[in-house]
Amino acid sequence: AQSVTQLGSHVSVSEGALVLLRCNYSSSVPPYLFWYVQYPNQGLQLLLKYTSAATLVKGINGFEAEFKKSETSFHLTKPSAHMSDAAEYFCAVSGGGSTLGRLYFGRGTQLTVWP
Amino acid sequence: DAGVTQSPTHLIKTRGQHVTLRCSPISGHKSVSWYQQVLGQGPQFIFQYYEKEERGRGNFPDRFSARQFPNYSSELNVNALLLGDSALYLCASRAGDTQYFGPGTRLTVL
Repeated sequence: AQSVTQLGSHVSVSEGALVLLRCNYSSSVPPYLFWYVQYPNQGLQLLLKYTSAATLVKGINGFEAEFKKSETSFHLTKPSAHMSDAAEYFCAVSGGGSTLGRLYFGRGTQLTVWP
Repeated sequence: DAGVTQSPTHLIKTRGQHVTLRCSPISGHKSVSWYQQVLGQGPQFIFQYYEKEERGRGNFPDRFSARQFPNYSSELNVNALLLGDSALYLCASRAGDTQYFGPGTRLTVL
């Protein structure tokens, strides 16, 4: 079974500040981990993914995440926040093989960026 | 290439009615999954279809059903609608290890 916990339902940062969104996972098999972003009234857009290759994963819009097996974490970071980063962010986990079509999401973290 | 498309965009129904939501995957994608996203929560997995066969089902009642057609498009059906079925319904198609999401159908049950 797989599950994800996102710590902090709301995160606020100033423009130019570091963004850190936390995600811890639980998985009975080697996990596939994803971060998606959702803008108001839209679907989900893939930011980045970990699929058992490099543990530091770079994504779009300057975001990156590090897979830490010992901490069962996959935190999302961005060195310098931009106003356009304001959105809801979801961490998700999947098992491999036939279960790749089943994503289990966290409750989401709403990111606010102040000018 | 067009992304995942869903129709309709918005839908208003009353309790007890039936609803059908439609999804067209990205061209060449054979796997489609459905998710329910209630306001303020993350998406919850409902169904996975691959090559027209159900490959997985989440913890949803039998009022929820789906099917996939030979062209890989899919329908999600919900019978006997309840107020709690109000949500954004997302469809995703998969290539390899990545799912790509459509814009969703916003269902409101009154």
